[in-house]
Amino acid sequence: SQTIHQWPATLVQPVGSPLSLECTVEGTSNPNLYWYRQAAGRGLQLLFYSVGIGQISSEVPQNLSASRPQDRQFILSSKKLLLSDSGFYLCAWRQDRSSGNTIYFGEGSWLTVV
Amino acid sequence: AQKITQTQPGMFVQEKEAVTLDCTYDTSDQSYGLFWYKQPSSGEMIFLIYQGSYDEQNATEGRYSLNFQKARKSANLVISASQLGDSAMYFCAMREEWWGGSQGNLIFGKGTKLSVKP
Repeated sequence: SQTIHQWPATLVQPVGSPLSLECTVEGTSNPNLYWYRQAAGRGLQLLFYSVGIGQISSEVPQNLSASRPQDRQFILSSKKLLLSDSGFYLCAWRQDRSSGNTIYFGEGSWLTVV
Repeated sequence: AQKITQTQPGMFVQEKEAVTLDCTYDTSDQSYGLFWYKQPSSGEMIFLIYQGSYDEQNATEGRYSLNFQKARKSANLVISASQLGDSAMYFCAMREEWWGGSQGNLIFGKGTKLSVKP
């Protein structure tokens, strides 16, 4: 069966520090991968998605970036964090682009920028 | 542009009773998919149920059913026989789909917080 893991689960970072959140999917190949952010009391906002290695699409311009160095690895990064980057970050995957295939989420990472 | 509206910020239901969580959507697409997710306090997003816009039957998954009214553009989630473990945030989401493919990018509503009373 397929599983998705992301880490770290929780982190507190000072303003201006770098960020690296990592996500891996197991039990599948060539998945579509996603990074979402959920601010407090709000719905999910799509940040990045990837349909293959090295292919990244950005939905929201910001100081975050994403990379996909391997087929089942998706990384969210920032060179300098802002206070507004605080939130709950969720990695997600989907098997392919067929109609009806749902998106499955990881456990999430709580980021607090202080 | 696509939009999802969940008008109930919070809902209470007595244990063992049924509850309906509202979701309306706006899209100009002819073909689309509708999803419901559950988010407990731990934060994980758990997929519950899916409805395709061309599906004639309402989707059901165990105690979850989706009351799909296409003309009214509503996709309400019905939870039967509520349990204490159902207390969580519930999100409605949609994406454009077409025969043989989809964009894959979900648009989410702001969620409804369900509290089940013992």
